[in-house]
Amino acid sequence: EAQVTQNPRYLITVTGKKLTVTCSQNMNHEYMSWYRQDPGLGLRQIYYSMNVEVTDKGDVPEGYKVSRKEKRNFPLILESPSPNQTSLYFCASSPMGVTDTQYFGPGTRLTVL
Amino acid sequence: AQKITQTQPGMFVQEKEAVTLDCTYDTSDPSYGLFWYKQPSSGEMIFLIYQGSYDQQNATEGRYSLNFQKARKSANLVISASQLGDSAMYFCAMRGFSGGYNKLIFGAGTRLAVHP
Repeated sequence: EAQVTQNPRYLITVTGKKLTVTCSQNMNHEYMSWYRQDPGLGLRQIYYSMNVEVTDKGDVPEGYKVSRKEKRNFPLILESPSPNQTSLYFCASSPMGVTDTQYFGPGTRLTVL
Repeated sequence: AQKITQTQPGMFVQEKEAVTLDCTYDTSDPSYGLFWYKQPSSGEMIFLIYQGSYDQQNATEGRYSLNFQKARKSANLVISASQLGDSAMYFCAMRGFSGGYNKLIFGAGTRLAVHP
């Protein structure tokens, strides 16, 4: 089954404790992206990647890191999480074209205390 | 700059009736894609329907259709014969080149409630 998977689905952590949210897709998509969703703000792009070893900042990259060592995986790293990073996070993947549909993972609900 | 506007924070509809969710967009790119996603209370983002900027006909997918008016820069979602399971948040999104890179931007969403 074609899908984007994220782990964990739920995470409660404390300020400053490094964490990684994994994302994997099995559709051989070149483009992968991370979004955060906050009430009233819709979804905002954090980072994106157009291929292996090619990543760039989105609209809200501060406090996040990513890597793309393999085509299928695109982990999101929070080196020192803070309470303002409490949010719902989505990973998405797609082919590269602007008319291509992005498919989303199930989401990771993160709470930073 | 690219922008998506959804002016209806909330909508109510009676079961079995049709409902239109509004979406307007702004872009100077000639090539772009318009998408609608559904987010139920469980949180996942479900792709519903897509319209390309060069498509001549309005997109349809089952009970969903997209009323695309390019000159007015609107891409409204029409849900026919509403069902209780249609109660959810709906997001309009546009994909194009903004600031030199390929990105998908979202509107703030419309919460739809379907009443029996």
